[in-house]
Amino acid sequence: DIQMTQSPSSLSASVGDRVTISCRASQDISNSLNWYQQTPGKAPKLLIFAASSLQSGVPSRFSGSGSGTDFTLTISSLQREDFATYYCQQSYSSPPTFGQGTEVEIK
Amino acid sequence: EVQLVESGGGLVQPGGSLRLSCAASGFTFSNYWMHWVRQAPGKGLVWVSRINGDGSSTSYADSVKGRFTISRDNAKNTLFLHLTSLRAEDTAVYYCARSLYDFLDVWGQGTTVTVSS
Repeated sequence: DIQMTQSPSSLSASVGDRVTISCRASQDISNSLNWYQQTPGKAPKLLIFAASSLQSGVPSRFSGSGSGTDFTLTISSLQREDFATYYCQQSYSSPPTFGQGTEVEIK
Repeated sequence: EVQLVESGGGLVQPGGSLRLSCAASGFTFSNYWMHWVRQAPGKGLVWVSRINGDGSSTSYADSVKGRFTISRDNAKNTLFLHLTSLRAEDTAVYYCARSLYDFLDVWGQGTTVTVSS
């Protein structure tokens, strides 16, 4: 199985900050990388697919980049509603695997 | 409105069985692969199983292979997950989700399975 490793596991940030979250795959996954946001008690929500494509309805302050083994999710200006846990997921090979999550907390 | 609504969770003893359902609406159900993803309390997301649009192809995580069975009824726009030989480590919120390509673009609200004596 392909292992997905996110860093950091958690971070503290303020409203308006630029935030970056990294995700590394244990092998080359091309651009088969997706990002999800989950707030407490809620279902995950798709933010980014195919490494850099913004899902319909997702604010443009979210962006994704990378290919191969290294990927990044960037929030250009953190808003209050962005405090959540973020997961990367590879869809290159079965089984699909998720990173362990990055919790974004209010500083 | 595109919607997935899970049901069927509950408290079950170790070794017991349960059937989860996921009712789909607002889209052509048979056009989509469907998945189950679970989340143990305080933990991350783990993919469990998936099924193709006509139900002819399925796959499972190693941790549930031989114990869980995914199926679908396209006439009733419903996805199922039959859980047997349940263990404490199967305790989780179970989400259903759809995919057209590789990504899970619509998720249900989840149903909670608790395995305990």
